Amino acid sequence: GQNIDQPTEMTATEGAIVQINCTYQTSGFNGLFWYQQHAGEAPTFLSYNVLDGLEEKGRFSSFLSRSKGYSYLLLKELQMKDSASYLCAVMDSNYQLIWGAGTKLIIKP
Amino acid sequence: DTEVTQTPKHLVMGMTNKKSLKCEQHMGHRAMYWYKQKAKKPPELMFVYSYEKLSINESVPSRFSPECPNSSLLNLHLHALQPEDSALYLCASSQDLERTYNYGYTFGSGTRLTVV
Repeated sequence: GQNIDQPTEMTATEGAIVQINCTYQTSGFNGLFWYQQHAGEAPTFLSYNVLDGLEEKGRFSSFLSRSKGYSYLLLKELQMKDSASYLCAVMDSNYQLIWGAGTKLIIKP
Repeated sequence: DTEVTQTPKHLVMGMTNKKSLKCEQHMGHRAMYWYKQKAKKPPELMFVYSYEKLSINESVPSRFSPECPNSSLLNLHLHALQPEDSALYLCASSQDLERTYNYGYTFGSGTRLTVV
């Protein structure tokens, strides 16, 4: 079967750094996405990785290791507005997105 | 225009009503999607249209009926829904089924549906 695992909830302090991990087992791989979703709102695209390594975009970075079936999203200089759910999703061999259950990130002052 | 527009934002309907959700994009995307999302759960894929043809139907009950009148519009017709169908309905688009890289899916803000 296809499976994506990520922690249910994480807590971090404003100004700090947090890493959200995602492990996956899917039938084929055509890239891994990270989305941010605030409560009651639509998901917004953060990053896409298809090759191994680190992709950096401002305060957010995403890392992929295909051999380990592993990715992480790194958020630096945390702000209160970063409190949201972070969804990991893998595109399988049929170009369908398989979604993780999401990680709720709570930022404390 | 880099947005997906969904209307209405909120909808309350009875179990005998017929209503439609609308989705529009003008990014030239050729793949469009309907997702259903319950609270604290990831989005669940319902339908995929590719070049205006229904490509994927994830065993969705017939009380949900999708329609793609043209490459910019996607509708979801609702009839005889159940209270358990209450959820956030999200429309998304991508360049096409395979070329989702760089920008991923662009989601609309969703329709919050309540069935009473």
